[in-house]
Amino acid sequence: GAGVSQSPRYKVAKRGQDVALRCDPISGHVSLFWYQQALGQGPEFLTYFQNEAQLDKSGLPSDRFFAERPEGSVSTLKIQRTQQEDSAVYLCASTRDPGEKLFFGSGTQLSVL
Amino acid sequence: DQQVKQNSPSLSVQEGRISILNCDYTNSMFDYFLWYKKYPAEGPTFLISISSIKDKNEDGRFTVFLNKSAKHLSLHIVPSQPGDSAVYFCAASVYGKAAGNKLTFGGGTRVLVKP
Repeated sequence: GAGVSQSPRYKVAKRGQDVALRCDPISGHVSLFWYQQALGQGPEFLTYFQNEAQLDKSGLPSDRFFAERPEGSVSTLKIQRTQQEDSAVYLCASTRDPGEKLFFGSGTQLSVL
Repeated sequence: DQQVKQNSPSLSVQEGRISILNCDYTNSMFDYFLWYKKYPAEGPTFLISISSIKDKNEDGRFTVFLNKSAKHLSLHIVPSQPGDSAVYFCAASVYGKAAGNKLTFGGGTRVLVKP
């Protein structure tokens, strides 16, 4: 595709439910990032992949958050036992080269009730 | 602790005038700075960047200025157009690190350009 694609666009979850958010990066992009953006704030780094290797997961807020990119292309961010504080927009970004600018998807807006 | 701060949450400017957005950072390891623009329901899009070896970078109507000693950067938009109305994020990174372009963002400034 032409850009970074994220699905679903919106997700409503009941507290305690598990959710999975998908990111399709731009074809050929080696690096993939996940960011969390709370309402009225800037995006905050969650985790980074280079191909299938998760090189940095220092931003994941708890062990309920898990990300994978098994074949070095599509990535999934999974949140277990969702809490209200997990409500945010989850942004995925990719880049062909670690030194280049990031291309962001439109995000998944997660609302935990 | 917020390593990148945008102290003005909003800015209103008349069409044709200059918009000046400010950003301060605290981490002296940052050596690469970017501005992203975000429309509602869309992801941020890259606008302009500057390396710490420069103090100015210009791209059309957009100019970014960097003052390393003050740990301050600014974005100038001249002339401002109604289509520039968006939220602008300042971001910083340590360029070339093995962890890639791990960006630290400010909280954003919402710009409204009035026709």
